Amino acid sequence: AQSVSQHNHHVILSEAASLELGCNYSYGGTVNLFWYVQYPGQHLQLLLKYFSGDPLVKGIKGFEAEFIKSKFSFNLRKPSVQWSDTAEYFCAVSLSGTYKYIFGTGTRLKVLA
Amino acid sequence: DTGVSQNPRHKITKRGQNVTFRCDPISEHNRLYWYRQTLGQGPEFLTYFQNEAQLEKSRLLSDRFSAERPKGSFSTLEIQRTEQGDSAMYLCASTNSFGELFFGEGSRLTVL
Repeated sequence: AQSVSQHNHHVILSEAASLELGCNYSYGGTVNLFWYVQYPGQHLQLLLKYFSGDPLVKGIKGFEAEFIKSKFSFNLRKPSVQWSDTAEYFCAVSLSGTYKYIFGTGTRLKVLA
Repeated sequence: DTGVSQNPRHKITKRGQNVTFRCDPISEHNRLYWYRQTLGQGPEFLTYFQNEAQLEKSRLLSDRFSAERPKGSFSTLEIQRTEQGDSAMYLCASTNSFGELFFGEGSRLTVL
């Protein structure tokens, strides 16, 4: 069965530290990839997406992600985190041609001021 | 705000009762999704609609769960004979033409 793995469940960083959150998926076909963020008390919001083309995609608030097909990975990065980045981050995969979105278990990020 | 709207936001019920949640998607979105989320987990796919047609339903969804989307606009998710294990946040989302999911605030169900 298709799955999405996020190995970091909880991450604590100080402001200005660099961030990398891992995401791996198990599916050999064509995929669309997403990162969603859920700030405390808010609904899930799209951070960035990859459909095709340049494997390095840039999203909102200085986030970027790199699709590495050979590693089935789509890791999220930010060079310098801020206290306001404290949130839960979810990686999701859409299987091409199915319109079904599968989410990882999420990574809870806490940024210390 | 013309985002995805869900109600009620919170529902507390006794085991064995039926509950119904409503979702109003963004008006021009033709696909609508229901997910369930429990503490420490990511959204778990339940079912989705394209217009009024229910195209896929998770095998995890027991026959106590039913969803409808009459006329291809709002959708309802009904849970019959609720069990304590049904306690969760039920999320609704709709997609735009770029395949981006837009989520509602969710409906939190607590079964006593």
